[in-house]
Formats: sequence, C-alpha cells, structure tokens
Amino acid sequence: DAGVIQSPRHEVTEMGQEVTLRCKPISGHDYLFWYRQTMMRGLELLIYFNNNVPIDDSGMPEDRFSAKMPNASFSTLKIQPSEPRDSAVYFCASSPTGGAEALFFGEGSRLTVL
Amino acid sequence: GENVEQHPSTLSVQEGDSAVIKCTYSDSASNYFPWYKQELGKGPQLIIDIRSNVGEKKDQRIAVTLNKTAKHFSLHITETQPEDSAVYFCAASNPNSGYALNFGKGTSLLVTP
Repeated sequence: DAGVIQSPRHEVTEMGQEVTLRCKPISGHDYLFWYRQTMMRGLELLIYFNNNVPIDDSGMPEDRFSAKMPNASFSTLKIQPSEPRDSAVYFCASSPTGGAEALFFGEGSRLTVL
Repeated sequence: GENVEQHPSTLSVQEGDSAVIKCTYSDSASNYFPWYKQELGKGPQLIIDIRSNVGEKKDQRIAVTLNKTAKHFSLHITETQPEDSAVYFCAASNPNSGYALNFGKGTSLLVTP
C-alpha cells in the first residue's frame, strides 16, 4: 500500500491567498484526521471524519478553515484567506477501525504564509 | 478535555545507554496510549501502544509502562542506537472524546555515537 498521500509537500503563499491541501487516505480506512503541527502548540487535531462524515471539528481554529471529504479516497483542507499565523505543517492521518487505533500519518504539507 | 504532559522536551544519551520519556494525562477515562516516532521531514509513525487493561508492553528494545492510578505512562528505549534519534510523542484517548488522540508536545531524542 502506498500509505497516506498528501499534496502539496510544500506551499509558499502570500497573506490573503486561498490554500488547499489534499489527502488520499489508505484504502479501506474509515477514519480520516487532519492535524496541524507547530513548535509552540505541537500536534493539534483540527477535524476528523468517519465514513466521509465530519464528526468533530471543534479544533478548527476559525471560519477561515474548512474541510471536506467528498468520497472515501479524498479529503481537502482549505484556508481562505490565509494569514502568516497559519504557517505550520499540516498532517493527514487515517485509521482502519476506531478513531484512536493505529493512526497512519502522511508526510505532511509544510505551509508558509508570507 | 484531555491534557497530556510530556517530559523531558529534549534528551541526549550516548549510544548503548537507555532513554526514558514520561507522560501524564488528566482524564481518568482515557484508555489507549500510543507512542509515535517522528523523523525529520516525515509524519509520525506508531512504534508501540498500550491499553488501560495492561501495565507493561515490550517490543524488542522498546517498552511502555502504564500506571493508571497515577495517570502516567512511560517509554523506555534500551541499548539506544543513533537511528533512534528522532522526536517522540506520547498520546492518550478515551471514548468520551470520540477517541480523538491528544498528543504531548514531544521529546527530541539525540543518541550520540
């Protein structure tokens, strides 16, 4: 299996621009998670889906952030408009069974907002 | 919600020595405690996990212990090797929070030859 695939690996954009991060989970995994990693705050859960349905989005920082999962093999995290404080590494992870068992992480998308 | 504290934030050991990383959690309902290793430029990878019905689990050079009463758990790495150098994260989850993992802030482990 190819593992969790994220794109782009690196994104540099200017403040105010729209950013879209993409994730393809491992086939057959029913749970998908979006995390954000910064030095100051560590790994923060933003949102997670079960069978394509958002279950908990309480970690989404602001209305500027939105996430979708139109089908079992694809999810997006969108930031509009982006701000410098959004600069971080965004990870997507998927899980085969329960929401907290054996999370498989992608390699992350490093976002820099100038 | 669950709060996971991890110590130390950095740890330097000589090759062959043991390394211990400790975590505490706040929610007594938490029942699943995984450890992840993150190498530079990569995503975290699960290395070992333990559930609340077990006090200790071992896998070759790594072991995890859990003290439910004190609400703390630890990662032990024996006979450390340079390739063990990475950032290690502990995490906790419980059914009351939908099993979402709450991570500690991480420990940067450096193993010097």
